[in-house]
Amino acid sequence: DVKVTQSSRYLVKRTGEKVFLECVQDMDHENMFWYRQDPGLGLRLIYFSYDVKMKEKGDIPEGYSVSREKKERFSLILESASTNQTSMYLCASSLRLALYNEQFFGPGTRLTVL
Amino acid sequence: AQSVTQLDSQVPVFEEAPVELRCNYSSSVSVYLFWYVQYPNQGLQLLLKYLSGSTLVKGINGFEAEFNKSQTSFHLRKPSVHISDTAEYFCAVSEGGGGADGLTFGKGTHLIIQP
Repeated sequence: DVKVTQSSRYLVKRTGEKVFLECVQDMDHENMFWYRQDPGLGLRLIYFSYDVKMKEKGDIPEGYSVSREKKERFSLILESASTNQTSMYLCASSLRLALYNEQFFGPGTRLTVL
Repeated sequence: AQSVTQLDSQVPVFEEAPVELRCNYSSSVSVYLFWYVQYPNQGLQLLLKYLSGSTLVKGINGFEAEFNKSQTSFHLRKPSVHISDTAEYFCAVSEGGGGADGLTFGKGTHLIIQP
């Protein structure tokens, strides 16, 4: 079974802090994704990566950056956290050559910025 | 470009009653379709998927969905719901071909089971 883990389930930070959210997958997937989930808005793609050191902006990249130094790990960085970044953050991974792009999700990190 | 519409943001239903969660998609090519479930404070879990073949797809926890190409729909059904089915349900579509940005999600339907 694919396993995607996220470093924290719950996180509370203060405005202006630098925040790191870590995601690790153990199935050698090439693709990794970061989404944020807000009530009524569904899942919105922040960034994705299709290979080590490669990244592409998703629909809402403003205020975020990412890092992929190793194939299994994909980090989301909030350079200066703001209250409007309070949200649920979901990491996912998939095989690059999978025809149908099924994604496997981690348990999520609920981030509160005070 | 592909898109997904989940017509109901919330669906309240009594325990042991049947339920249908609606999903419509738009795409100019053949698609692959998914339903994911998210239980409270958890990540998304695959419920079922349509890749090809039979249009009636069975998933986990007694759920099934039917792919209707002419109506571009992929509605999710369960004949008798349980309180444990309370969750958020997401429909997703892929046009395939691999790649990193292949899944488009609907906004979700919150299934509320009333005792």
